[in-house]
Amino acid sequence: QQQVKQSPQSLIVQKGGISIINCAYENTAFDYFPWYQQFPGKGPALLIAIRPDVSEKKEGRFTISFNKSAKQFSLHIMDSQPGDSATYFCAASTQAGTALIFGKGTTLSVSS
Amino acid sequence: DAGVIQSPRHEVTEMGQEVTLRCKPISGHDYLFWYRQTMMRGLELLIYFNNNVPIDDSGMPEDRFSAKMPNASFSTLKIQPSEPRDSAVYFCASSSITGSWNTGELFFGEGSRLTVL
Repeated sequence: QQQVKQSPQSLIVQKGGISIINCAYENTAFDYFPWYQQFPGKGPALLIAIRPDVSEKKEGRFTISFNKSAKQFSLHIMDSQPGDSATYFCAASTQAGTALIFGKGTTLSVSS
Repeated sequence: DAGVIQSPRHEVTEMGQEVTLRCKPISGHDYLFWYRQTMMRGLELLIYFNNNVPIDDSGMPEDRFSAKMPNASFSTLKIQPSEPRDSAVYFCASSSITGSWNTGELFFGEGSRLTVL
């Protein structure tokens, strides 16, 4: 079922720095690519999502970059803050709102 | 709306016992998903329903696992008999793809942490 590969597994960034997490997918039928954020003891929550008809989407400090030909997408967190410390999951599905296949997650620690 | 509600939040049981996890999706949502989270395997899709009908159960690890959705507001995931390797956090999520307000978001509950001794 592992159709979405995520790296790195863990990441330590200084406050104010840029956090970058990468994902690659295999199934060309995927049409929706979200990122979810999870805090300890909580369920994952949608952070930002993109569809393959655009190459970039930005929401505040969070940006998704999408490369359809390479079948890769990434999450950039600008001006990383200690409150961003969490586990981040990339995911993909063939239709928004239907079953998501998740990457294995990246644990981000932002040091102050 | 209170969001997706799961119970119990924590369950500790002995190997061989039956475990039943419960989920109440967000009202009006027509998709319901069961995921399992472990350190080794991450978030795995076990099964999902559309309008109370199971669509894909290929992620259910063994016949020991079963899931039902008797109505639009309730679903169960049952493990019988349970084994130590079933220890994980089980998440239920719901979504809707109808309506102009659809963002494609899956709304997750807070999970049920299962420990099988």
